Amino acid sequence: AQSVAQPEDQVNVAEGNPLTVKCTYSVSGNPYLFWYVQYPNRGLQFLLKYITGDNLVKGSYGFEAEFNKSQTSFHLKKPSALVSDSALYFCAVNGNQGGKLIFGQGTELSVKP
Amino acid sequence: KAGVTQTPRYLIKTRGQQVTLSCSPISGHRSVSWYQQTPGQGLQFLFEYFSETQRNKGNFPGRFSGRQFSNSRSEMNVSTLELGDSALYLCASSLYTGGYEQYFGPGTRLTVT
Repeated sequence: AQSVAQPEDQVNVAEGNPLTVKCTYSVSGNPYLFWYVQYPNRGLQFLLKYITGDNLVKGSYGFEAEFNKSQTSFHLKKPSALVSDSALYFCAVNGNQGGKLIFGQGTELSVKP
Repeated sequence: KAGVTQTPRYLIKTRGQQVTLSCSPISGHRSVSWYQQTPGQGLQFLFEYFSETQRNKGNFPGRFSGRQFSNSRSEMNVSTLELGDSALYLCASSLYTGGYEQYFGPGTRLTVT
């Protein structure tokens, strides 16, 4: 069965420090991996995706993610966190089932000044 | 380009009633997917439509149905509402089916009393 795990319900970071939000996946075949962000009372915003190629993917708002096939991980990173980055972050995988995305349970990121 | 729009934004229904939610995708996008978001179950895939055909269906009862029109607009219907159907229903569109990034609408908040 295909699945996504985000092991941390909440991540707390000081503004200006680097941040990492973790994601691991389980899927047969080559995965398509995504990160989305959700602000309160809003839909999800697309941040970045990995399809193939470079293991380091750059996305919107200074975010990047590192694909690691051997560890089946796709961690989201940002070199310097902003208070405005505080939101709910979702990792998702498309396991070659058309447009079906399987989401992790989400990680609440809190960036304090 | 205009983003994904969903109507209505908020809805209150009574148990046993039925409801229809509407989604207009980004212009040129041919795939529309629907997701249910609840605090307990997180984000769960309902179904995907591409070129007016249902391509994928999630693990939901037959009370949940949908359709897509020739202009790619989509509707989902829930019949015989139950209290547990209270959720945020998110629609997402993408250019094609498969590993393309999906762009989400703001959602319809359904409350069943």
